[in-house]
Amino acid sequence: RKEVEQDPGPFNVPEGATVAFNCTYSNSASQSFFWYRQDCRKEPKLLMSVYSSGNEDGRFTAQLNRASQYISLLIRDSKLSDSATYLCVVGSGSARQLTFGSGTQLTVLP
Amino acid sequence: DADVTQTPRNRITKTGKRIMLECSQTKGHDRMYWYRQDPGLGLQLIYYSFDVKDINKGEISDGYSVSRQAQAKFSLSLESAIPNQTALYFCATSQGPETQYFGPGTRLLVL
Repeated sequence: RKEVEQDPGPFNVPEGATVAFNCTYSNSASQSFFWYRQDCRKEPKLLMSVYSSGNEDGRFTAQLNRASQYISLLIRDSKLSDSATYLCVVGSGSARQLTFGSGTQLTVLP
Repeated sequence: DADVTQTPRNRITKTGKRIMLECSQTKGHDRMYWYRQDPGLGLQLIYYSFDVKDINKGEISDGYSVSRQAQAKFSLSLESAIPNQTALYFCATSQGPETQYFGPGTRLLVL
């Protein structure tokens, strides 16, 4: 079983749609959680951290359920520029090593 | 100028050759990392370094070695390249255990 699992997609949605991505992680002792965004074969960039209480950044909302070891990302009012691969990332261990999911590909269509 | 730079950006080499990928950062971060990315897979950690005297193996270190020449420089070497080392390689930095900042990547093709 992969340590961090994501639905690879692709998700093809029209502009303005709401789309949700899910992620599960296997290490119950994980301490930090993130969503990164990666444009086609470019470097990953931090989209947002994920906190236990849930957090929002504009059109983006992230949720964490520690009991179910589940992380989600909700994108509202999708824009063409949201097209990218979204990486679920979990930090574990004393060094908080990051483990990356393989990513979920999103294409927002005009 | 970019905070994290990688050279070369693209490299084609032959099986058995030794090559070095270099990473430099101007962010002043203590921690540096090397990852590889293969299609359909997540980034896999090769090596990481928390300071100049601290080098640690990641999950896929076999066939690779690293050198932390200074706080700002972290090099990855393939001693004898093989075709399954064909991948996209990323360097990253962080200050502490949280957000990592990635370089633009090096595309490596081993023939």
